[in-house]
Amino acid sequence: DAGVIQSPRHEVTEMGQEVTLRCKPISGHNSLFWYRQTMMRGLELLIYFNNNVPIDDSGMPEDRFSAKMPNASFSTLKIQPSEPRDSAVYFCASFSHNTGELFFGEGSRLTVL
Amino acid sequence: TQLLEQSPQFLSIQEGENLTVYCNSSSVFSSLQWYRQEPGEGPVLLVTVVTGGEVKKLKRLTFQFGDARKDSSLHITAAQPGDTGLYLCAGVIGTASKLTFGTGTRLQVTL
Repeated sequence: DAGVIQSPRHEVTEMGQEVTLRCKPISGHNSLFWYRQTMMRGLELLIYFNNNVPIDDSGMPEDRFSAKMPNASFSTLKIQPSEPRDSAVYFCASFSHNTGELFFGEGSRLTVL
Repeated sequence: TQLLEQSPQFLSIQEGENLTVYCNSSSVFSSLQWYRQEPGEGPVLLVTVVTGGEVKKLKRLTFQFGDARKDSSLHITAAQPGDTGLYLCAGVIGTASKLTFGTGTRLQVTL
């Protein structure tokens, strides 16, 4: 299994631009999580899905952020418009209900200038 | 307000030393996990503890879940440079799948 796949690995963009981060979870895992990691705030849960349905989006910072999971093998996190304070590493993780383990992707490092 | 506080935040020690990292909360967790994260990668699960007072060992790492299931510790014996990384505790409250991460402890082990 290839694990959780995220793209892009790195993105540098200018303030005001739209950013789309993508995630392919591990096949068979029916829960998917989006986290954001910064030095100041650590690892923060943004939103999670069960069976493609958003369950808790209370961690999404503001309306500029949106996430979708159109099917079991794909999710996106969109920021529009982006701001410098959105600079962070964004992680996608899929959850195995069999083992209770979160499997993380390698992250997407976003820099907004 | 951070649900899970870890201490210390940073730790720099020499190879061969022992260390303990703490994870504390005022909330009761149904389970608690420890992850290690290396630069440029996502966190990787080390262990899950479920029962109050539970102790689990993973080679030189010993994990303990507090009796009241509000806190946990990670003890490393004879640390090695390969132990360097960010250690994160993460807890689940109730039956929800939602995992909340601690503030993290950044460990550096030097020769």
